Amino acid sequence: KQEVTQIPAALSVPEGENLVLNCSFTDSAIYNLQWFRQDPGKGLTSLLLIQSSQREQTSGRLNASLDKSSGRSTLYIAASQPGDSATYLCAVINSGYALNFGKGTSLLVTP
Amino acid sequence: EPEVTQTPSHQVTQMGQEVILRCVPISNHLYFYWYRQILGQKVEFLVSFYNNEISEKSEIFDDQFSVERPDGSNFTLKIRSTKLEDSAMYFCASSDPGTGVTGELFFGEGSRLTVL
Repeated sequence: KQEVTQIPAALSVPEGENLVLNCSFTDSAIYNLQWFRQDPGKGLTSLLLIQSSQREQTSGRLNASLDKSSGRSTLYIAASQPGDSATYLCAVINSGYALNFGKGTSLLVTP
Repeated sequence: EPEVTQTPSHQVTQMGQEVILRCVPISNHLYFYWYRQILGQKVEFLVSFYNNEISEKSEIFDDQFSVERPDGSNFTLKIRSTKLEDSAMYFCASSDPGTGVTGELFFGEGSRLTVL
């Protein structure tokens, strides 16, 4: 059974710092990995999708990498801003249709 | 930008009552999903739906749950007899037919269900 773990559970950084969020998964036979952002009480906003054949994806200040063989992904956020404060979720899909989510990393960027 | 819309945003119901949560997926998407998130816990998969039938469901999706696409735009989740433990945020999602199950999922804002 796929288990997705995100470390750290919470992170507080001053504005302007570069930061890395980590995601690990136990079953490396994934189709893809998706990073989401969730604001309190809100829905999930897709940030980046990495297919199993890809090593990384970039969107603006965000860069996500994937190392399937070691079961790891990282989300790099450059020059963090207070508006980046949210919970970041990692999710993978193996066979079938279901995304398996981690519990998320709660990020606070202070001015 | 196209988005997934869900109604109601919040519903309060008494235990044992039937609830229907509604979703309008992105218009050209053909794969539809329901997920839920109990407060403080992980987002969990409930069911996926394609070509007018359930393609996969989790252990959570028991006989109390059903899904339907009653017309060309709506996708609904029905809980027949709600329990206290059904209290959660329910998210609808959809994905593009060109990418199918390996493609990007787009989620709605969620419907918060509170069962008293």
